Amino acid sequence: KAGVTQTPRYLIKTRGQQVTLSCSPISGHRSVSWYQQTPGQGLQFLFEYFSETQRNKGNFPGRFSGRQFSNSRSEMNVSTLELGDSALYLCASSSRPGLGKERTGELFFGEGSRLTVL
Amino acid sequence: KQEVTQIPAALSVPEGENLVLNCSFTDSAIYNLQWFRQDPGKGLTSLLLIQSSQREQTSGRLNASLDKSSGRSTLYIAASQPGDSATYLCAASEGRAYAETSYDKVIFGPGTSLSVIP
Repeated sequence: KAGVTQTPRYLIKTRGQQVTLSCSPISGHRSVSWYQQTPGQGLQFLFEYFSETQRNKGNFPGRFSGRQFSNSRSEMNVSTLELGDSALYLCASSSRPGLGKERTGELFFGEGSRLTVL
Repeated sequence: KQEVTQIPAALSVPEGENLVLNCSFTDSAIYNLQWFRQDPGKGLTSLLLIQSSQREQTSGRLNASLDKSSGRSTLYIAASQPGDSATYLCAASEGRAYAETSYDKVIFGPGTSLSVIP
């Protein structure tokens, strides 16, 4: 069973540009969440998508956005990049077995996309 | 507001020692507590997940316990090896285990950096 796949693994951008990151969850998982990891702030929650709808959002500016497709693959976009956006962006998938069924909420992470903004 | 802390921030031990990593959370209304391992520049690897109805979970040389009333979880590593060197993070999940569309909120601790000396 393939794990969570994130692309690209590494990218370098300049201030003012925009970037799109992609995440393919584990087959059958319908929930995808995104996190930003920096040495100073640690792991911070960006947003979660389930069934193509954003279900929860962290405290990030509107420059950070995302979407989820019908096959559960997700993308996140950062516009007007700033130096402080340099970080490791991690995607996690989780299963939701259905109403009435207990779920574990276990998160499975990809290897991340390392973004450097110059 | 949920806050997750981890003590110690860094730990260096000789190979073969048993060790305990600590995780504290301020709000006991969680439905699971998950421990992860992260190697430098990599994503997070799930180690153990404890549901709120459970007290502990074991996997090989790892044992994790959960005490919701005191807001604490511990990760016990037996007979440490150099390959255990990594950063260990705990994460508390707020949400509802039986609701398909529960708006989960996962709060991560800052991590404990473990170094096992051969």
